[in-house]
Amino acid sequence: QQQVKQSPQSLIVQKGGISIINCAYENTAFDYFPWYQQFPGKGPALLIAIRPDVSEKKEGRFTISFNKSAKQFSLHIMDSQPGDSATYFCAASRAGGFKTIFGAGTRLFVKA
Amino acid sequence: GAGVSQSPSNKVTEKGKDVELRCDPISGHTALYWYRQSLGQGLEFLIYFQGNSAPDKSGLPSDRFSAERTGGSVSTLTIQRTQQEDSAVYLCASSFWRQGVSGANVLTFGAGSRLTVL
Repeated sequence: QQQVKQSPQSLIVQKGGISIINCAYENTAFDYFPWYQQFPGKGPALLIAIRPDVSEKKEGRFTISFNKSAKQFSLHIMDSQPGDSATYFCAASRAGGFKTIFGAGTRLFVKA
Repeated sequence: GAGVSQSPSNKVTEKGKDVELRCDPISGHTALYWYRQSLGQGLEFLIYFQGNSAPDKSGLPSDRFSAERTGGSVSTLTIQRTQQEDSAVYLCASSFWRQGVSGANVLTFGAGSRLTVL
């Protein structure tokens, strides 16, 4: 009930390509789905987030697609750049002061 | 402070010793989390403090692990009788999150404390 499953574990993309990372959740009580970006030696930082009342959210080159019926959401990075190379975590939480659950992470490497 | 501060940034200890890791959250943040990140692994939830409520300790891996939060601010994670499998980066995060209030629970993480148990 509390799990968030993330794939792939690692991803290599050419510069300018599209990076896609997928997540699935089980608990339908979750109502907030953020993505965090982590660079080596740093803590994760919020990148973009979505609520289940919308199917897509776009911020610059980053887009979240959300499928409530399938209980899945994904991160798309358009025009991927070497500076996007990092570990990406999807997460889920629910209103009422409950903990945030993270996926296992995806290590993205963008080749120049 | 401006961000979440963790200390020490690096700690090397011998198996069997006790260690304390400190987290100083953003001023005014009511929620505080501890996560563990093993080499190349995801973020494993350990414990969560929310205001004056009883902490959610469901993620602590054994009774060797404990944490406290004094005065609703600084938190200390204590690992007793450390084992080699405890080697990891311990991340602390805080958020302005209130019970019963819906809204974005945005976590701000510190840089972590890297623990190496020899």
